[in-house]
Amino acid sequence: EHVLTQSPDTLSLSPGERATLSCRASQIVYSNYLAWYQHKPGQAPRVLIHGASSRATGIPDRFSGSGSGTDFTLTISRLEPDDFAVYYCQQYGSAPLAFGQGTRLDNK
Amino acid sequence: EVQLVESGGVVVQRGGSLRLSCAASGFNFGDFAMHWVRQAPEKGLDWVSVISWDGGATYYADSVKGRFTISRDNSKNSLFLQMNDLRPEDTAFYYCVKGSGYNYGYPLGHWGQGTSVTVSS
Repeated sequence: EHVLTQSPDTLSLSPGERATLSCRASQIVYSNYLAWYQHKPGQAPRVLIHGASSRATGIPDRFSGSGSGTDFTLTISRLEPDDFAVYYCQQYGSAPLAFGQGTRLDNK
Repeated sequence: EVQLVESGGVVVQRGGSLRLSCAASGFNFGDFAMHWVRQAPEKGLDWVSVISWDGGATYYADSVKGRFTISRDNSKNSLFLQMNDLRPEDTAFYYCVKGSGYNYGYPLGHWGQGTSVTVSS
């Protein structure tokens, strides 16, 4: 079973700054089937990135994903006020699927 | 428009059973894998189970294997989760989630609004 560990747990930044979120898997993620989700209170999570680096439909290009194997990164190039939320990575390359514990992105 | 509406969440005692349902509309239900994902109070997302498009393949998180059973009825556009031997740690909001493809190897897509399950000790 994959265990995904995200870091940091909380990231405090200001609008306009760059955010770098990490996700490390306990085993190689098959075919880099790694997704990133954004979750805001009272809303359903939405997928930002799939396949480690492909932006989902309608996601602005300030969001980018990178990495392979066991180490993955979500980068938000210039934070906007709407970006402050909790972010989860998830592997879907093998069952059982798994989420990381989440990184809370706070507005400083 | 994709809609997923969960029902069946209640307060139940430890060791009890519960069946969650999810009514789907707005897409070809029988073409997609479906998942259950839960979120305990003040905790993160926790993947529970997935069923393939035709019901032929099912997978579970280790924490629920042997206690929960996922199923679907494509003729009624419905997804189910039978939960037995419930434990306090199963207390959570349970979300019905549409996959993006026919089996688990695709990212998650649309989510329902969730149904609350509370297991009292």
